[in-house]
Amino acid sequence: SAVISQKPSRDICQRGTSLTIQCQVDSQVTMMFWYRQQPGQSLTLIATANQGSEATYESGFVIDKFPISRPNLTFSTLTVSNMSPEDSSIYLCSVQRGSSYNEQFFGPGTRLTVL
Amino acid sequence: KNQVEQSPQSLIILEGKNCTLQCNYTVSPFSNLRWYKQDTGRGPVSLTIMTFSENTKSNGRYTATLDADTKQSSLHITASQLSDSASYICVVWDEGRDSSYKLIFGSGTRLLVRP
Repeated sequence: SAVISQKPSRDICQRGTSLTIQCQVDSQVTMMFWYRQQPGQSLTLIATANQGSEATYESGFVIDKFPISRPNLTFSTLTVSNMSPEDSSIYLCSVQRGSSYNEQFFGPGTRLTVL
Repeated sequence: KNQVEQSPQSLIILEGKNCTLQCNYTVSPFSNLRWYKQDTGRGPVSLTIMTFSENTKSNGRYTATLDADTKQSSLHITASQLSDSASYICVVWDEGRDSSYKLIFGSGTRLLVRP
């Protein structure tokens, strides 16, 4: 398995501000992802964090709103910029570890509330 | 459109009872299907992973079944415990033609086990 930690675990922010979420993995992984889970909903992929290059964003998500960094194979950050109440969600970091089934693991999530 | 649908949306059972959660999918080509358990405020944790050639897989009191012909899966929980209260998410691995992939998430079933 993979041990994934996220900081902060939760935060309450004011409209118009930005929050950076950190994701740390206990060992090197090839693939890292960022997901959003809105209240009562399932997970939606925001982007794939690529080491040493720009992240790959899914439809509906843009770099200006969700800039991502991945400086090495164990760490990534997601910034939620110019927040509005609609950004209130749980943000989850996820990693893939290669195996015959390509297991995917999720971090504990960051619960964000925007007032 | 590739979709994963789960039923019921929510379920309440008494401690010690059994229950079965359903998952129907239209994802093609199909690589594998996973069931995750997500406790409130936590990230999803994998319970089972099944390929198209597997019919049944167990993990303790959890037993997953898969019928690749009808594109249906079920998760059976035996002798439920209070700690089983969580959301259960069915996830199908969509393997694209260019070897890219996406996880297609169901909306989850919220299970509440009452004493």
